[in-house]
Amino acid sequence: GIQVEQSPPDLILQEGANSTLRCNFSDSVNNLQWFHQNPWGQLINLFYIPSGTKQNGRLSATTVATERYSLLYISSSQTTDSGVYFCAVGIQGGSEKLVFGKGTKLTVNP
Amino acid sequence: DTAVSQTPKYLVTQMGNDKSIKCEQNLGHDTMYWYKQDSKKFLKIMFSYNNKELIINETVPNRFSPKSPDKAHLNLHINSLELGDSAVYFCASSLGLGRYFGPGTRLLVL
Repeated sequence: GIQVEQSPPDLILQEGANSTLRCNFSDSVNNLQWFHQNPWGQLINLFYIPSGTKQNGRLSATTVATERYSLLYISSSQTTDSGVYFCAVGIQGGSEKLVFGKGTKLTVNP
Repeated sequence: DTAVSQTPKYLVTQMGNDKSIKCEQNLGHDTMYWYKQDSKKFLKIMFSYNNKELIINETVPNRFSPKSPDKAHLNLHINSLELGDSAVYFCASSLGLGRYFGPGTRLLVL
């Protein structure tokens, strides 16, 4: 099956710093999403981005489908950005199944 | 105005018991899912229903039985609970390729 690798596994930042999270995947995909799981466990859909670039406030994401990777940028990080960021992909062929990476645990210190 | 809701939020029970988790979505989505998140935060799909029809059934013990009485509800019944069933169970829904997750049910089997 498709492999999804996220890096780094852990990231510690000072408030105000910028960061880049990476997601590599092993096959062509028709679905790629970034999620944030906050410290209370809630999973929030950040981006649906199978290709191209999107921005939402301090967060932006870019997927280069031909090279099988996606990047999530967090600028001017805040303590509320802490949590685990998951990349999830769906393979071409119409499957409804999303395969999740193991996540990047982000800690933003004040 | 909760989009995807689950009950209960917490469930503590003894080994061997049978328990159910309920999920409801008011988004008008036609596909619903159950995911399991283990102690290492790894998220894996268990089941998916589209218009009350089972479309994804991963390698899950047959002690787990999903039931979808209508498009807005997907319940999960677990028989003969085992210690290894302890996890957080997330319900999700989608219309197309996006995913919207419920708050999770934290199951602890003693």
